[in-house]
Amino acid sequence: GNSVTQMEGPVTLSEEAFLTINCTYTATGYPSLFWYVQYPGEGLQLLLKATKADDKGSNKGFEATYRKETTSFHLEKGSVQVSDSAVYFCARYNNNDMRFGAGTRLTVKP
Amino acid sequence: SAVISQKPSRDICQRGTSLTIQCQVDSQVTMMFWYRQQPGQSLTLIATANQGSEATYESGFVIDKFPISRPNLTFSTLTVSNMSPEDSSIYLCSVEAGARRNYGYTFGSGTRLTVV
Repeated sequence: GNSVTQMEGPVTLSEEAFLTINCTYTATGYPSLFWYVQYPGEGLQLLLKATKADDKGSNKGFEATYRKETTSFHLEKGSVQVSDSAVYFCARYNNNDMRFGAGTRLTVKP
Repeated sequence: SAVISQKPSRDICQRGTSLTIQCQVDSQVTMMFWYRQQPGQSLTLIATANQGSEATYESGFVIDKFPISRPNLTFSTLTVSNMSPEDSSIYLCSVEAGARRNYGYTFGSGTRLTVV
């Protein structure tokens, strides 16, 4: 089964709202964790990553902290913009195996 | 990190035909990965392609349906053979983004395939 579980969408927010997209994982050992973003009509882009416990990945105002005690890597942004509308994928890499969550579609309205 | 050019970006194909998708990387990479993203779903790994050896296919995917070529360290193709409407998906190639695997992957822009 899929070893990455992320919050189901779609998520619709108003501009400048706070965003949280939950992600939890299962893995042995110490996986690396990622968030990817897929803008309409495009491939996936790496948004941020964290490779060890308590690391915080950040990019473009997005942040996620590697929480080993809760096996989580929740994505947050303090103030979303219309241009953040996209599908967000959580992923974990462990033992030569990259697994993706189901994706969460975010729509930000002006 | 590497830059990948993938083509075609989209195509509409008749059932029973085949389509070959190409990915060109701007640097030499050992492994290339081919994914399928069905409508509204996550990514599923089809196969891993190493230069100079046969591709390794994941459970549920076979070489006769998805033949892969990897003639050199910068190029790979995936063919979707004898297509049916169920093959309508986005197909993505990817490579490791850095020297270490925990750098994540870089993806091509995807091929949106519709089979009619």
